[in-house]
Amino acid sequence: EADIYQTPRYLVIGTGKKITLECSQTMGHDKMYWYQQDPGMELHLIHYSYGVNSTEKGDLSSESTVSRIRTEHFPLTLESARPSHTSQYLCASSELGGDLYEQYFGPGTRLTVT
Amino acid sequence: TQLLEQSPQFLSIQEGENLTVYCNSSSVFSSLQWYRQEPGEGPVLLVTVVTGGEVKKLKRLTFQFGDARKDSSLHITAAQPGDTGLYLCAADPGGSQGNLIFGKGTKLSVKP
Repeated sequence: EADIYQTPRYLVIGTGKKITLECSQTMGHDKMYWYQQDPGMELHLIHYSYGVNSTEKGDLSSESTVSRIRTEHFPLTLESARPSHTSQYLCASSELGGDLYEQYFGPGTRLTVT
Repeated sequence: TQLLEQSPQFLSIQEGENLTVYCNSSSVFSSLQWYRQEPGEGPVLLVTVVTGGEVKKLKRLTFQFGDARKDSSLHITAAQPGDTGLYLCAADPGGSQGNLIFGKGTKLSVKP
């Protein structure tokens, strides 16, 4: 059973607010990811990290930022939320070594910006 | 741009029927994974296939990786309502150190 947690599960917030989506994993995985998922669309990678103090931008441009101060924690922050940020945000983790790169996902945060 | 095309996009069947969903690409992949995602939850890994022609079974689910490692299929025998969900394929294009690409998924509904 994968142990990766996201909070909050649902968030409705007004335009211009600053928000932080939390993600934690207890598997000791070095690599972590943030995806954005909209109905009928692929998961789009927006950020990833190879380990502590490592952050990289993914394929989909995003106005969000991430930090990785501890191995188990990979929060995502939006400084000023807009309606275009409304989406499902999924956090995942995987082992860095090996060839399979199997990813373990959290339950997601459904963000609605009004 | 490497793409994974999944078909069909939607599938609604009765309990007990068999079904096959597909994941196709023009690119060769070093490995391919299948995930199932239930509403309001994150995807859960079902299987990883690595070798061309490989067949893996998980209870009533049979996964096959194409000989050329460009495509894959998922066959479900005697579908049950608990199989309902979004089935996603994902592949490692190689050299990406684990950054997978995902298909749009097949949304399966199994009615009792």
